[in-house]
Amino acid sequence: GIQVEQSPPDLILQEGANSTLRCNFSDSVNNLQWFHQNPWGQLINLFYIPSGTKQNGRLSATTVATERYSLLYISSSQTTDSGVYFCAVVSGAGSYQLTFGKGTKLSVIP
Amino acid sequence: NAGVMQNPRHLVRRRGQEARLRCSPMKGHSHVYWYRQLPEEGLKFMVYLQKENIIDESGMPKERFSAEFPKEGPSILRIQQVVRGDSAAYFCASSPLTGANVLTFGAGSRLTVL
Repeated sequence: GIQVEQSPPDLILQEGANSTLRCNFSDSVNNLQWFHQNPWGQLINLFYIPSGTKQNGRLSATTVATERYSLLYISSSQTTDSGVYFCAVVSGAGSYQLTFGKGTKLSVIP
Repeated sequence: NAGVMQNPRHLVRRRGQEARLRCSPMKGHSHVYWYRQLPEEGLKFMVYLQKENIIDESGMPKERFSAEFPKEGPSILRIQQVVRGDSAAYFCASSPLTGANVLTFGAGSRLTVL
């Protein structure tokens, strides 16, 4: 099956700093989503982005499908950004199973 | 729109007991997916259901686990004779269509087996 690798596994930022999280995948995808799992365990959709670039406030994401990677940018980080960021993909025509990476654990300190 | 509703949020069971987790999809969504998250890991697919049909249960353990999505009422994930290794967060997601669509996840149900 498809492999999803996220980097870095852990990241500590000072409040106000910017960061880039990366997701590499081993095959073509027809669905890619970024999620934020907050410290209470809730999983929140950030982006549906199988290709192209999207922005939502301080967050933006870019997926370069031909090169099999996606990037999540967090600007002017806040303590509420802390948590684990997951990339998840669906690969294969007619498939629906999301394959998750192991996540990037982000800690934003004041 | 209340989103995907899961309950209970936390469940504690002793080894050998049964656990039932419920999931009500978003309004207008007829496709339900269950995923399991073991500690310090990403989520893994368990089962995909539509109303009264199990479409794909390839990710579900063959024994003790079952799932249903009846014509009326929520989807149920049932774990019989729980063991400590079943301790995990169980997430339900729903979508309006199958295939490459945005899945919306519930807040999860955290099962602890003593």
